[in-house]
Amino acid sequence: QVQLQESGPGLVKPSETLSLTCTVSGYSINSGYYWVWIRQPPGKGLEWIGSIYHSGSTFYNPSLKSRVTISVDPSKNQFSLRVNSVTAADTAFYYCARDNPPDYWGQGTLVTVFS
Amino acid sequence: QSALTQPPSASGSPGQSVTISCTGTSSDVGGYNFVSWYQQHPGKAPKLMIYEVTKRPSGVPDRFSGSKSGNTASLTVSGLQGEDEADYYCSSYAGSNNVVFGGGTRLTVL
Repeated sequence: QVQLQESGPGLVKPSETLSLTCTVSGYSINSGYYWVWIRQPPGKGLEWIGSIYHSGSTFYNPSLKSRVTISVDPSKNQFSLRVNSVTAADTAFYYCARDNPPDYWGQGTLVTVFS
Repeated sequence: QSALTQPPSASGSPGQSVTISCTGTSSDVGGYNFVSWYQQHPGKAPKLMIYEVTKRPSGVPDRFSGSKSGNTASLTVSGLQGEDEADYYCSSYAGSNNVVFGGGTRLTVL
């Protein structure tokens, strides 16, 4: 059974960097698929952040591209998200998921930008 | 990029059918057969219900069906059940390895 679990700080200060990790179990990242980050501000809709292919190629939402980095660590079967220069608008539930469209999702983690 | 347009709400009585629309442009919905639909219950992660316009993942009831005409995709839920009450989101491939979502529709089972 494929499972994904997000981890990282729940509070980030404005102008700092948001960093999250997604740990995958039940499937090897190196075996294939896109690995995706999606976010959802509380009470609002979904926003695709970007994805990384198992080979390391990355693809980002044009509206976030200048501030976002997605990377993969096959040795730990993890992939990560970094969002620079955060503001209150980056407060959201952050989900990691497998493939496009995502068939397996993490439970999500709330990140609040708060001074 | 602009979000796809969905009605904010939809409703139907148990046993009835309801259709939710998702309107985009020729650069996303109309340009590719890569429209997906997700169901999200409160406090839960979204669940993939339809992909590639009409296909259902294993385990999704055949009461859920998808279609597309021009720049508008649709999700139809037949034989409404109480457990279908949830938020529904559409998404579409928008070229250059980019994905765009709709704003979501809250489905109420009366």
